[in-house]
Amino acid sequence: AQSVTQLGSHVSVSEGALVLLRCNYSSSVPPYLFWYVQYPNQGLQLLLKYTSAATLVKGINGFEAEFKKSETSFHLTKPSAHMSDAAEYFCAVSDRDDKIIFGKGTRLHILP
Amino acid sequence: GAVVSQHPSWVICKSGTSVKIECRSLDFQATTMFWYRQFPKQSLMLMATSNEGSKATYEQGVEKDKFLINHASLTLSTLTVTSAHPEDSSFYICSASNLAGGEDTQYFGPGTRLTVL
Repeated sequence: AQSVTQLGSHVSVSEGALVLLRCNYSSSVPPYLFWYVQYPNQGLQLLLKYTSAATLVKGINGFEAEFKKSETSFHLTKPSAHMSDAAEYFCAVSDRDDKIIFGKGTRLHILP
Repeated sequence: GAVVSQHPSWVICKSGTSVKIECRSLDFQATTMFWYRQFPKQSLMLMATSNEGSKATYEQGVEKDKFLINHASLTLSTLTVTSAHPEDSSFYICSASNLAGGEDTQYFGPGTRLTVL
């Protein structure tokens, strides 16, 4: 069975600082991996996805994530945080049957 | 990018009534649609998967007679919460993809907030 673990339900970083949101996955087959962002009272927006091509995936809004098979990780990073990055971020995993399993989410707070 | 809409964006209803939520793919044909439920401050839980023209496949623990899903066309799926109770209050999100067309990306709707009094 697949699962996703996001470390830290809340993360606070200063504006301009590095953003690092951690995600570890469990999958019996090579997975598809995703990061989604959810702004208050809104649906999900896809930030980026990994589908077995390049291990470093670049997404929208300056975010990127690196797939590390040896660590079963897919951490999300952004070099410099903006106030507008404050939101809930979900890591997700899917095998080829297209069902997406979401992590519990990490709320990112940006400090001025 | 592909756009998925949901209607209504929010709804308040009395206990015992039924509520229908629509999910539409606006600029692509959605061969597969997914319905998720999100409790406050929690992650999304997949409720069911529907393929156009077929019966929905429900996840374990989801009552199919309570959450009726219809996917009658390639651009519309509906979720009907029957005999709603306060514990059904939640944020319901749909997603759509064109799996038959080789597109495996799911596009999410903006969600519908249901409040049952």
